Amino acid sequence: SQTIHQWPATLVQPVGSPLSLECTVEGTSNPNLYWYRQAAGRGLQLLFYSVGIGQISSEVPQNLSASRPQDRQFILSSKKLLLSDSGFYLCAWSVLVGEANEKLFFGSGTQLSVL
Amino acid sequence: KNQVEQSPQSLIILEGKNCTLQCNYTVSPFSNLRWYKQDTGRGPVSLTIMTFSENTKSNGRYTATLDADTKQSSLHITASQLSDSASYICVVSTPSMNYGGSQGNLIFGKGTKLSVKP
Repeated sequence: SQTIHQWPATLVQPVGSPLSLECTVEGTSNPNLYWYRQAAGRGLQLLFYSVGIGQISSEVPQNLSASRPQDRQFILSSKKLLLSDSGFYLCAWSVLVGEANEKLFFGSGTQLSVL
Repeated sequence: KNQVEQSPQSLIILEGKNCTLQCNYTVSPFSNLRWYKQDTGRGPVSLTIMTFSENTKSNGRYTATLDADTKQSSLHITASQLSDSASYICVVSTPSMNYGGSQGNLIFGKGTKLSVKP
């Protein structure tokens, strides 16, 4: 069966420090991978998505970057964190379930606090 | 503008009672509508996915309805349990060629926070 691992679960970082969040998927090949951010009281916001190794698309301009060095590995990074980068970060992968539906599976999330 | 509005923002009910959560959307074109359950501090978990032609779908004690004409959906929870305490998120998908497969563009509601009390 497919599983998605995301770590760490919580992270407290000072402003200006670097960031690296990692996400891996098991039990599937060539998944579509996503990074979302969920701010308090707001809906999930798509940050990056990837349809293959080395292929990254960004949805919003920001202080963050993403990389996909391996088929089932997705990394969210920043060189210098800002206070506004605080939030709940979710990794997700998707699979086609029928002609028109693609099912999205989320990781357990990382609560990032930038102080 | 594509938007998904959920109501109420929060809800408190007693264990064993039923409740209904609402979702109104202005997304066009429409691909499908999903309901997710998100426990505090965890990632969302899919409950149902409905396409344009489906007007109801059940998953255990959860029943989702869709009226594509009025662009409204509801999630009905029957005989609530303490473990139903969570945020419930409505997500509407619109087709997009920017994504792999048919994932399309997902527009997330802000969620309804449900608290089930003993």
